Amino acid sequence: DARVTQTPRHKVTEMGQEVTMRCQPILGHNTVFWYRQTMMQGLELLAYFRNRAPLDDSGMPKDRFSAEMPDATLATLKIQPSEPRDSAVYFCASGLTSGAPWEQYFGPGTRLTVT
Amino acid sequence: LAKTTQPISMDSYEGQEVNITCSHNNIATNDYITWYQQFPSQGPRFIIQGYKTKVTNEVASLFIPADRKSSTLSLPRVSLSDTAVYYCLVGSPGWAGKSTFGDGTTLTVKP
Repeated sequence: DARVTQTPRHKVTEMGQEVTMRCQPILGHNTVFWYRQTMMQGLELLAYFRNRAPLDDSGMPKDRFSAEMPDATLATLKIQPSEPRDSAVYFCASGLTSGAPWEQYFGPGTRLTVT
Repeated sequence: LAKTTQPISMDSYEGQEVNITCSHNNIATNDYITWYQQFPSQGPRFIIQGYKTKVTNEVASLFIPADRKSSTLSLPRVSLSDTAVYYCLVGSPGWAGKSTFGDGTTLTVKP
């Protein structure tokens, strides 16, 4: 049963520290999404990639967030420097552009707490 | 990008059929309608997708009227384990544009 994996599952850090979250999409999927979920804002799309190229990162605070896909099996989301307002659950999802539209497979998430 | 509107919450009892309606008045010609389910502490899970009329799978049915300005997710004979947040999503093939999950509908199934 293919799944999206995310590491770490939980991260507690102090304000100002760099945070790196990693995602391994389902093998063969060519589209990767990063979402952030909070009680106040719900599920927000931060960025998405197709064939490793960034297509849209307009949902991301550019001054501190960056997303990359070094290769087809790894996507990263970095926050530098982190702030308390970045505390949230960060989800990665993957899919196929040839598959059903918007059929995304989500990972278990990284719960980030910035103190 | 089509905006969706769903009820914030719904209650039901075990064994009942639950229908959750989503409004998407400005749906585009190429847009599909997709529903996700999210349990606490988990990522959303794809349930069903459709373009028009009716779609049924082993989990749910999706009813889409001819004007496609709304859709209804139908869950037959719900159980306690169906308690979750249900999101309606509208988007076009090829991942064009942004997806927006909206606020979702919190379904609580009671014994």
